Amino acid sequence: DVKVTQSSRYLVKRTGEKVFLECVQDMDHENMFWYRQDPGLGLRLIYFSYDVKMKEKGDIPEGYSVSREKKERFSLILESASTNQTSMYLCASTPTGRYNSPLHFGNGTRLTVT
Amino acid sequence: AQKITQTQPGMFVQEKEAVTLDCTYDTSDPSYGLFWYKQPSSGEMIFLIYQGSYDQQNATEGRYSLNFQKARKSANLVISASQLGDSAMYFCAMRVHEDSNYQLIWGAGTKLIIKP
Repeated sequence: DVKVTQSSRYLVKRTGEKVFLECVQDMDHENMFWYRQDPGLGLRLIYFSYDVKMKEKGDIPEGYSVSREKKERFSLILESASTNQTSMYLCASTPTGRYNSPLHFGNGTRLTVT
Repeated sequence: AQKITQTQPGMFVQEKEAVTLDCTYDTSDPSYGLFWYKQPSSGEMIFLIYQGSYDQQNATEGRYSLNFQKARKSANLVISASQLGDSAMYFCAMRVHEDSNYQLIWGAGTKLIIKP
């Protein structure tokens, strides 16, 4: 089974801190995604990556950056955390070449910025 | 524009009854796939079922089936014999094959509560 692991389940940070959310997948997937999920707004795509060192902005990239130095790891960075970044963050991966392959998700990180 | 619409923000259903969760989609691409996910209160996203636009038969996976009506652009999830553990958020999502990035377009979700 595909395993996507997010480093923290719950995280509390202060305004202005730099925050790293880590995601690791073990199935050699090319494509990785970071979403945030807020009540009533569904899943919104922050960034995605289709290969090592490649990244593309999603729908809401402002205030975030990403890093993909290795194929299995995709990191989301909040350069200077703000209270409006309090949210649930979900990482996902999927292989290239299989359109019927679902996104495989990690368990999510609930981030609170105070 | 490509879009997924889930018109039921919330539903209450009696245990053991069948449930239909609505999903309509909009795309001009003839080649696409539709996915359903379940998200319990614990937060993880669980993949349930997939339907491809060229699939001849409606997809089924255990108690889950997809009522796919291509002309109406609907892909409703049917859960037979509902159980208390089915209480969760349910999301419909679409992948358009001309999109080479493999991302999904998401609906807003339906919160399903099963009553004992």
